[in-house]
Amino acid sequence: QITLKESGPTLVKPTQTLTLTCTFSGFSLSTGGVSVGWIRQPPGKALEWLALIYWNDNYHYSPSLKSRLTITKDTSKNQVVLIMTNVDPVDTATYYCARRRPDYGDPFDYWGQGTLVTVSS
Amino acid sequence: IQMTQSPSSLSASVGDRVTITCRASQNIRSYLNWYQQTPGKAPKLLIYAASSLQRGVPPRFSGSGAGTDFTLTIINVQPEDFATYYCQQSDSAPYTFGQGTKLEIK
Repeated sequence: QITLKESGPTLVKPTQTLTLTCTFSGFSLSTGGVSVGWIRQPPGKALEWLALIYWNDNYHYSPSLKSRLTITKDTSKNQVVLIMTNVDPVDTATYYCARRRPDYGDPFDYWGQGTLVTVSS
Repeated sequence: IQMTQSPSSLSASVGDRVTITCRASQNIRSYLNWYQQTPGKAPKLLIYAASSLQRGVPPRFSGSGAGTDFTLTIINVQPEDFATYYCQQSDSAPYTFGQGTKLEIK
């Protein structure tokens, strides 16, 4: 059974650094082709793809957020960490992590429940 | 790659057939996925690779298209289908989503 769960602060002050952890089970990020991504959704708005890390440590970032994001993985702990620097109220959103299946279409087939992060002073 | 969905919202009755379209700003072959999201829940994968039905998804959902133009069709809409639908391209990073289509009860 594959599960993912996001964890991190619910409230962050502007200009601070946000650290989110995705803890997963049921698959390994050392398996060829597997990747884990982060997606966010501001209240009442659409999904926004943020970052992705592959089993071989390759990664991709959203161009609009690239300078503020860092994604890392700890294969032994089955965790993926997303760090976002210099947060702003516009970063208030539910943050999801999801597994990207190495299949035709490479879909995000399993998602965490999401964690709501509010940026406010 | 920009993904544009239409319409942004639509109303339908139970039993109707509905179609949602998604257009990519460049050729994404068949690397197009569809997700369903209900309020307060994480998105759920419905269709991958443009036309492949995810395991456990009812066959009233279907997808088609290739290149830049794609459609999601729901036949015989059921009450549990009233939700927001997103397309997502997985051809090349950044793996962008469409802006969503909200399916509402008429």
